[in-house]
Amino acid sequence: DVKVTQSSRYLVKRTGEKVFLECVQDMDHENMFWYRQDPGLGLRLIYFSYDVKMKEKGDIPEGYSVSREKKERFSLILESASTNQTSMYLCASSFHRGLNTGELFFGEGSRLTVL
Amino acid sequence: RKEVEQDPGPFNVPEGATVAFNCTYSNSASQSFFWYRQDCRKEPKLLMSVYSSGNEDGRFTAQLNRASQYISLLIRDSKLSDSATYLCVVNNNDMRFGAGTRLTVKP
Repeated sequence: DVKVTQSSRYLVKRTGEKVFLECVQDMDHENMFWYRQDPGLGLRLIYFSYDVKMKEKGDIPEGYSVSREKKERFSLILESASTNQTSMYLCASSFHRGLNTGELFFGEGSRLTVL
Repeated sequence: RKEVEQDPGPFNVPEGATVAFNCTYSNSASQSFFWYRQDCRKEPKLLMSVYSSGNEDGRFTAQLNRASQYISLLIRDSKLSDSATYLCVVNNNDMRFGAGTRLTVKP
């Protein structure tokens, strides 16, 4: 079974703190994605990556950065957390051909609360 | 304008009903299309792909209209277990999701 693991299920941080959300997949997938999910807004794409050291902006990259130093790991970084970044963060991965089959595999999510 | 738009619902239907969801997209260059299902407090999972000619998987039928830029999902003979949020996904090498349509099937 494909496994996508997100480092923390629940985090509580203070405004201005630097936050790291880690995501690791164990199936040698080329593609990795970070989404946030908010009520009524669905999943919004923050950043994605097709390969090591490669990244592309999604719909809402402001306030976020990403790092992909190794193929299996895709990190989302909030340089200075703000209350409007309180959300559920979902990481996903797929094979390159998976973009045409729609096979995104999701982690369980990280619920971040910024106080 | 959002890239992918869905009617948020909620749709509340009795068991056995037929229910249809629509989704519109703005990027005419989009390459592939999918429906995902998300249960409460769970991650989304792929339900089915959407092909130009239309496709069925049991009680589920998906259709694509490229000219009008919308996709649809039809669920026949609804079951209680169909209660979930249904998300349409549009792919142009970036997998963008709609906001989802909430379905509740009642006894």
